[in-house]
Amino acid sequence: DAKTTQPTSMDCAEGRAANLPCNHSTISGNEYVYWYRQIHSQGPQYIIHGLKNNETNEMASLIITEDRKSSTLILPHATLRDTAVYYCIVRGRTNAGKSTFGDGTTLTVKP
Amino acid sequence: EAQVTQNPRYLITVTGKKLTVTCSQNMNHEYMSWYRQDPGLGLRQIYYSMNVEVTDKGDVPEGYKVSRKEKRNFPLILESPSPNQTSLYFCASSLFGGRVGDEDIQYFGAGTRLSVL
Repeated sequence: DAKTTQPTSMDCAEGRAANLPCNHSTISGNEYVYWYRQIHSQGPQYIIHGLKNNETNEMASLIITEDRKSSTLILPHATLRDTAVYYCIVRGRTNAGKSTFGDGTTLTVKP
Repeated sequence: EAQVTQNPRYLITVTGKKLTVTCSQNMNHEYMSWYRQDPGLGLRQIYYSMNVEVTDKGDVPEGYKVSRKEKRNFPLILESPSPNQTSLYFCASSLFGGRVGDEDIQYFGAGTRLSVL
């Protein structure tokens, strides 16, 4: 798996957009970018994924740069319940089965 | 309801006493994996299985065993637990483990908190 790099922590005001960056400069052409989040010590929860194009679902938006070396997860209107650790991972045929989660970004949403 | 079920959720044991943590999924997924998480750290992969009777080491396999005799179950075995295996453990499953080059979302269990005294 390609390694990912994320900031250790970020703060965001409630109601504002939270933009969480991730670098994955060694990503292979067949690898997808996935985002998960973990609230307290619960099991990680899938948020969104993408290959090349920007993606949006009911939870978030994912912006992937044209060279695919970085991406940004956007929570458009952060709430206190979005306080969590957010993980960016890459996964695909290149190293099928292997799954490397970094330390993630701790997002704190403040009132 | 699609889910990954781990048991037990909490376990306290003593050094050297063999234990098994079970994991079961009801989504007919080929791929299953075990992770451990230590305080302040991300998830580290212990073992994974691409299909029945196919298992492979992750990043931290020492001290653990797994088996995949049937598709839905993937137990984690600690033959002789030691205090450094005190951790939070997660099981996960996905359709193909990334093998077919298509999207492959992982679904996680609720976790098993293990303390080895």
